[in-house]
Amino acid sequence: GQQVMQIPQYQHVQEGEDFTTYCNSSTTLSNIQWYKQRPGGHPVFLIQLVKSGEVKKQKRLTFQFGEAKKNSSLHITATQTTDVGTYFCGQGAQKLVFGQGTRLTINP
Amino acid sequence: GAVVSQHPSWVICKSGTSVKIECRSLDFQATTMFWYRQFPKQSLMLMATSNEGSKATYEQGVEKDKFLINHASLTLSTLTVTSAHPEDSSFYICSLTGGRTEAFFGQGTRLTVV
Repeated sequence: GQQVMQIPQYQHVQEGEDFTTYCNSSTTLSNIQWYKQRPGGHPVFLIQLVKSGEVKKQKRLTFQFGEAKKNSSLHITATQTTDVGTYFCGQGAQKLVFGQGTRLTINP
Repeated sequence: GAVVSQHPSWVICKSGTSVKIECRSLDFQATTMFWYRQFPKQSLMLMATSNEGSKATYEQGVEKDKFLINHASLTLSTLTVTSAHPEDSSFYICSLTGGRTEAFFGQGTRLTVV
């Protein structure tokens, strides 16, 4: 099946700094989804991107889908301690294949 | 979105015993559910697709005789880890889509085999 590579694996920032995680695929993706998993918790859906070049925003979070639909990014502006967790990208219909995840830790 | 209830949230068992994990869809009739496994600080790895009324579909490398999946009703799928060993210790989590594109996950089950 299609694989998505996600980087970085870890990111530690000072509160207030920005954060970005990237997902890349060697093949064209039909869609990409983003999830957040808090420590000890379960993944929670954030957003789905479907269209080439699509950009969606949720408050301080900005999601992008590349023009070629082979990459995607999640950018958090001015991180807060509540942003701590692991962010996963996933692709597929119903049966999701996830990237490796980026674990975000924040120094208050 | 769909509400998914998974039980138990954690379990400790002795090596060689079997453990059953339940995944319930509380507000949606799910013909399909998915089981994932997550080792510490790693990603979610799809184990199998649970199909109501028929055999589960296992991902490559997942032993179907070790991880028994039963989906006897539209609201319940169970995963039984048979003859568990310490290397089976992991976080097991189920999901369903509830007729939508995104996945809704259960709370997960942390299995520790001693």
